[in-house]
Amino acid sequence: GDSVTQMEGPVTLSEEACLTINCTYTATGYPSLFWYVQYPGEGLQLLLKATKADDKGSNKGFEATYRKETTSFHLEKGSVQVSDSAVYFCALSGTMNRDDKIIFGKGTRLHILP
Amino acid sequence: NAGVTQTPKFQVLKTGQSMTLQCAQDMNHEYMSWYRQDPGMGLRLIHYSVGAGITDQGEVPNGYNVSRSTTEDFPLRLLSAAPSQTSVYFCASSIDRDTDTQYFGPGTRLTVL
Repeated sequence: GDSVTQMEGPVTLSEEACLTINCTYTATGYPSLFWYVQYPGEGLQLLLKATKADDKGSNKGFEATYRKETTSFHLEKGSVQVSDSAVYFCALSGTMNRDDKIIFGKGTRLHILP
Repeated sequence: NAGVTQTPKFQVLKTGQSMTLQCAQDMNHEYMSWYRQDPGMGLRLIHYSVGAGITDQGEVPNGYNVSRSTTEDFPLRLLSAAPSQTSVYFCASSIDRDTDTQYFGPGTRLTVL
């Protein structure tokens, strides 16, 4: 079945370090791909998305490129800040299974040290 | 717009009690869903709805009921609470499932003793 796999955390980095959080997916057809972020004590909110192969989503300095050949959607940021500390979820939807479910990864907790 | 609202924010129940978690959205979204979030498990889909009058089961539906009598409201009912249902519950909505953003409520933290 359709699935999303993302790297396990927690990931701890110093401020201004480079970030990559890996996400790979298994799906039939051509899903849309998303990254959501959850700040402490809050619900999830959309960070960025891509709806077709080779699209790049970007927001708040974060980027992710939809790579169909490697079935990946890795999240990257060149210089992280303490305020980026949160849990990040990769997700997909719109597969050919048409079971109307959005599938989330298990989340990756990110800690940024000042 | 208020977006997606959930009540209550916190709730403590005793085993066997029933209760309803409320979810409402004012964005005229067709798709609504309920998730539970547990440590190390990420988000797990409980039930979802693609429109008023239509609901379906997600990954972990046992012990929960839903109904969708209006586009705006999507309540989640716990029939007989169990300690295994201690979790944080999130409601979400979107215009449709496929390409649109999911908007999440702030969550309800439920403890079952």
